[in-house]
Amino acid sequence: AQSVTQLGSHVSVSEGALVLLRCNYSSSVPPYLFWYVQYPNQGLQLLLKYTSAATLVKGINGFEAEFKKSETSFHLTKPSAHMSDAAEYFCAVSDGNFNKFYFGSGTKLNVKP
Amino acid sequence: SAVISQKPSRDICQRGTSLTIQCQVDSQVTMMFWYRQQPGQSLTLIATANQGSEATYESGFVIDKFPISRPNLTFSTLTVSNMSPEDSSIYLCSVEDRGNEQFFGPGTRLTVL
Repeated sequence: AQSVTQLGSHVSVSEGALVLLRCNYSSSVPPYLFWYVQYPNQGLQLLLKYTSAATLVKGINGFEAEFKKSETSFHLTKPSAHMSDAAEYFCAVSDGNFNKFYFGSGTKLNVKP
Repeated sequence: SAVISQKPSRDICQRGTSLTIQCQVDSQVTMMFWYRQQPGQSLTLIATANQGSEATYESGFVIDKFPISRPNLTFSTLTVSNMSPEDSSIYLCSVEDRGNEQFFGPGTRLTVL
């Protein structure tokens, strides 16, 4: 079975500061991992994905995530936060057939001026 | 990437009534998915809809409450039947594309009074 745990339902950073959103997964098969962003009143947009290639994955808008098997983690980072990054971020794991996605509870990112 | 539209974008309904949500994709896709996002919570998969076959429902969701149609490769509907306030959620459809990504529609925001 697959599951995802996101630590911290709310994260607040200052503009220009490092963004770190945590995601740990549990999977009985080699996982495929995703980060999605949801802006207010909008659908989900894919930020990046890990599908067993390079462990450091670069996504859109300057975000990246590193797959660490030993830590069962897939944390999302961005070196310098921008006001436009304020949104809710969801980590997700798929069952390997890419058919079913299991989402974490989400982390709301607030960026302070 | 697939472009997905949903109708209606939002609705306010009375308890005991039913609402049908439409999902239209700009390309032919094999699998379509319906998710529910309850207020302040993450996404939960309701069912998987393949063209030409019955939808497959996740644990806790039943066809009588959430009937789904999938008449062709670009369209699906989800009906929320005999609604109660607990059904107030955002309902999202998604499609699998590029073999390993899911793309989401903008969602339908449902409020049940």
